[in-house]
Amino acid sequence: DQQVKQNSPSLSVQEGRISILNCDYTNSMFDYFLWYKKYPAEGPTFLISISSIKDKNEDGRFTVFLNKSAKHLSLHIVPSQPGDSAVYFCAAPAGGTSYGKLTFGQGTILTVHP
Amino acid sequence: GAGVSQSPSNKVTEKGKDVELRCDPISGHTALYWYRQSLGQGLEFLIYFQGNSAPDKSGLPSDRFSAERTGGSVSTLTIQRTQQEDSAVYLCASSLEGHSNQPQHFGDGTRLSIL
Repeated sequence: DQQVKQNSPSLSVQEGRISILNCDYTNSMFDYFLWYKKYPAEGPTFLISISSIKDKNEDGRFTVFLNKSAKHLSLHIVPSQPGDSAVYFCAAPAGGTSYGKLTFGQGTILTVHP
Repeated sequence: GAGVSQSPSNKVTEKGKDVELRCDPISGHTALYWYRQSLGQGLEFLIYFQGNSAPDKSGLPSDRFSAERTGGSVSTLTIQRTQQEDSAVYLCASSLEGHSNQPQHFGDGTRLSIL
């Protein structure tokens, strides 16, 4: 049972435009969500997180939106840069707290064209 | 500061052999996790150590897989009698548990190839 789903395997965006990466979840017990970025041959790097008590969290060019009623979150990157090209994973702690083992989506490959 | 360190970075071995993968977590991190990523898949949880508590082994795919964490620091993941389906990137992560909103920090992984 895939509790965290990223239904878009890939996304291609022009430099300077907005990138929107989507994630859906099925477990209503999840109350904390994280986004990781992964370059080839490297481990995932933490990008941004959001607690379920918020509906938005912003960090520079990165903003995560959470819609609890729809069990949906999205990551917005504005403006997109070629260095943002990577695989993006959304994840949630399975224990319903801010830590513990993570359940990951399948990932979305973002390509930002110069 | 030093991040999570994993060794070896690459391992090629024959089917049926045993392998050991090592993880050095970030100093002071009490929680340590192992995940694996098979080709074209997301990250799959394997095992989780938190301080002196019994590890959460719920993600280990078979009894050929085991892991230890000595002295609350270094961890070794052992795969016995390797099979071709064990080929994957094995990732270790650590975090500062007991503090809210502390994300997991990952190493660069060990790419395991079973011939």
